[in-house]
Amino acid sequence: DIQMTQSPSSLSASVGDRVTITCRASQGVSNHLAWFQQRPGKAPKSLIYAASSLQSGVPSKFSGSGSGTYFTLTINSLQPEDSATYYCQQYNSYPYTFGQGTKVEI
Amino acid sequence: QVTLRESGPALVKPTQTVTLTCTVSGFSLTTTETCVTWIRQPPGKALEWLARIDWYDEKYYRESLRTRLTVSRDTSKNQVVLQMTNMNPLDTATYYCARDILRGPGIDVWGQGTTVTVSS
Repeated sequence: DIQMTQSPSSLSASVGDRVTITCRASQGVSNHLAWFQQRPGKAPKSLIYAASSLQSGVPSKFSGSGSGTYFTLTINSLQPEDSATYYCQQYNSYPYTFGQGTKVEI
Repeated sequence: QVTLRESGPALVKPTQTVTLTCTVSGFSLTTTETCVTWIRQPPGKALEWLARIDWYDEKYYRESLRTRLTVSRDTSKNQVVLQMTNMNPLDTATYYCARDILRGPGIDVWGQGTTVTVSS
């Protein structure tokens, strides 16, 4: 199975800050990488697919980049509602695998 | 509006089989490139991909759970069903179904999840 490793595991930032989360794959996954946001007690929400494409309705403050084994998720102008755990997922090879999550506190 | 809604028992006993149903609306299970994926999340832990059923009824399973999982669908009811046999306490989790569009946005819409606790 492809291992997905996110860093940091958690971070604390202030309103208005920009934060970047990284996700590394144990082997290349091309651009078959998605990012999800999960607020406490809620179902995940899809943010980004194909490493850098925004899902419909997702604000442009979220952006993704990378290919192969290294990916990033950047959140601009942090707001209180961005407090959540963020997960990356590769969908290049079965079983599709997720990172362990990055908890963002505002 | 695309929605998915999971349903199933909240509590099952060890060794029992659980059947979870995902009822979808706003899209067709037979539309080309449209799949439904099952994902679970144990309490306080990360997400885990379990299985997928494609628009032409092809199925894919997490290899480590292949012998215990069965995914099927009833297109007349707009439902996808996940069965997991021989449940044990480690299977306690929230189970999600999600729409998955191949060669497109991938997993784009999630259900709200259904929590299954395995306990005697």
